[in-house]
Amino acid sequence: NAGVTQTPKFRILKIGQSMTLQCTQDMNHNYMYWYRQDPGMGLKLIYYSVGAGITDKGEVPNGYNVSRSTTEDFPLRLELAAPSQTSVYFCASSLSYEQYFGPGTRLTVT
Amino acid sequence: GENVEQHPSTLSVQEGDSAVIKCTYSDSASNYFPWYKQELGKRPQLIIDIRSNVGEKKDQRIAVTLNKTAKHFSLHITETQPEDSAVYFCAAMEGGGNKLTFGTGTQLKVEL
Repeated sequence: NAGVTQTPKFRILKIGQSMTLQCTQDMNHNYMYWYRQDPGMGLKLIYYSVGAGITDKGEVPNGYNVSRSTTEDFPLRLELAAPSQTSVYFCASSLSYEQYFGPGTRLTVT
Repeated sequence: GENVEQHPSTLSVQEGDSAVIKCTYSDSASNYFPWYKQELGKRPQLIIDIRSNVGEKKDQRIAVTLNKTAKHFSLHITETQPEDSAVYFCAAMEGGGNKLTFGTGTQLKVEL
């Protein structure tokens, strides 16, 4: 199993551009999550999903959108990128309690 | 919502000493408390977790204790080694859901 995979690893965006961060898991987990981690800080939940077709907001959803059309994929969309969205983004999945994290995407908005 | 506070923010110990990191949570319905280790530039990795019906759990050199009455839980690392140097995060899962709220992290440095 590859576990949780994320693409791209790194990205630089200009202010106002849009992009999609990809997340895929091959463990047949129902629950998937998107977090952001700012330097020297903990992880903050952006959006989560309890299954295909069901998504809900986390602590910091503004400026982001998600969709969950399949069990495996949970893409995160950034519209009109802003410098405040410079961060490391982690995707995670779980079957019940334990969450498994992807390797992260380091995003810089300038 | 849940609020998790973590202390200290930095901790320096000598190799072989013990290290203790403490967290408090606000939601008495929270029922799952994991600890993650994150090395520089890497993803968080689960090192130990505890559920609300257990007071203590051990795995070799690491242990976690939970005091539900006081709403706090702690990570204990014994016989620390240089490879234990990393950032450690505690988290709490809200009761009835699957969302984790993370603490702000503790930078542990094990000095030779």
